[in-house]
Amino acid sequence: QKEVEQDPGPLSVPEGAIVSLNCTYSNSAFQYFMWYRQYSRKGPELLMYTYSSGNKEDGRFTAQVDKSSKYISLFIRDSQPSDSATYLCAMSAGGTSYGKLTFGQGTILTVHP
Amino acid sequence: EAGVTQFPSHSVIEKGQTVTLRCDPISGHDNLYWYRRVMGKEIKFLLHFVKESKQDESGMPNNRFLAERTGGTYSTLKVQPAELEDSGVYFCASSHLGQGGSPLHFGNGTRLTVT
Repeated sequence: QKEVEQDPGPLSVPEGAIVSLNCTYSNSAFQYFMWYRQYSRKGPELLMYTYSSGNKEDGRFTAQVDKSSKYISLFIRDSQPSDSATYLCAMSAGGTSYGKLTFGQGTILTVHP
Repeated sequence: EAGVTQFPSHSVIEKGQTVTLRCDPISGHDNLYWYRRVMGKEIKFLLHFVKESKQDESGMPNNRFLAERTGGTYSTLKVQPAELEDSGVYFCASSHLGQGGSPLHFGNGTRLTVT
């Protein structure tokens, strides 16, 4: 069983829709939770990161972490065609292992005009 | 600020040959990481440098892979001899030194194809 499970999609939505992306994990040691966006032929770009449980909002993006359920989510409001990309969840135990990320497989998102 | 730079962007080699990938981190970033994504799989951690020292190399697949970071600046990842299963995209990332909260900045990767 993978440490991090993420539905690869693909997910296709109309412009303006609310998008919900999710990951589940099994390692209780994970303390830092990140969402990366990756465009084709580019490297992952950090969107959001959260320490421990709770919510974090940044513009149209909201990240939620529920450590009791080992479940994290990313919501995108008023989705735009420019949001079309692969979204990767990633997590780490922190400390000296902060940068040792365990990634999900990524969800391919397409937003249609 | 220049981002993380990786060379080459794409490499095609035959099985048994040697390939060296290079990563130039963001200036001042002491942490440098190598990751790899093989076809159909998730991105996986390979190793972590702090300055010129290997902090964690637990993700290196086998002894055909050798990573170096001389002088604590750029890093190289050599694959010798290359096998078919080494094909994939190799990413480098860097960050400031610290216990947490310093985001990783990724390069655009080197796409390696072994035929």
